[in-house]
Amino acid sequence: GDSVTQMEGPVTLSEEAFLTINCTYTATGYPSLFWYVQYPGEGLQLLLKATKADDKGSNKGFEATYRKETTSFHLEKGSVQVSDSAVYFCALYSGSARQLTFGSGTQLTVLP
Amino acid sequence: DVKVTQSSRYLVKRTGEKVFLECVQDMDHENMFWYRQDPGLGLRLIYFSYDVKMKEKGDIPEGYSVSREKKERFSLILESASTNQTSMYLCASTRSGGGNEQFFGPGTRLTVL
Repeated sequence: GDSVTQMEGPVTLSEEAFLTINCTYTATGYPSLFWYVQYPGEGLQLLLKATKADDKGSNKGFEATYRKETTSFHLEKGSVQVSDSAVYFCALYSGSARQLTFGSGTQLTVLP
Repeated sequence: DVKVTQSSRYLVKRTGEKVFLECVQDMDHENMFWYRQDPGLGLRLIYFSYDVKMKEKGDIPEGYSVSREKKERFSLILESASTNQTSMYLCASTRSGGGNEQFFGPGTRLTVL
């Protein structure tokens, strides 16, 4: 079945540092890929998505590129802020499963 | 502003009690979902619904049931709560069609004593 493996946390960075959170997946067919973010005390919200190979999703300075050859969708940001502190979830949607499959989440803490 | 609301943010129940978690969305979405979120396990799908009065089991349906009598409302029911159902419960909705953005409620943190 479908699965998502993402980088174990927690991750602690200083403000303005470079961020990478790794995400790899296993799926049949050609899934759509997502990054969701959960700020403290809130539900998840969509951060970015990509629906086909080589697509790049971007939002709020975050980027991720759909790499079919490495089955990866790594999240990057060039300069993190304290307000980026949250839990980040990688997810995929495949037509065969008709549901989102989530990774385990990565807690990010950014220190001033 | 689109919204998914959940009836309680925090809930404390005793073992054996029947528990109702309510979720309402105002976006006229066809699809609704219930997840539980546990540390290190991410989100796991309990049940989902693609239409009124219709339901499908997710990955971990044991010990749960659901009800969808109206399009905007999706209820999760714990028939006899147990301590291993202590968790964060998240409701989500999306419009029909595959791969669309899911909109999440703020979650209900349930503690079963």
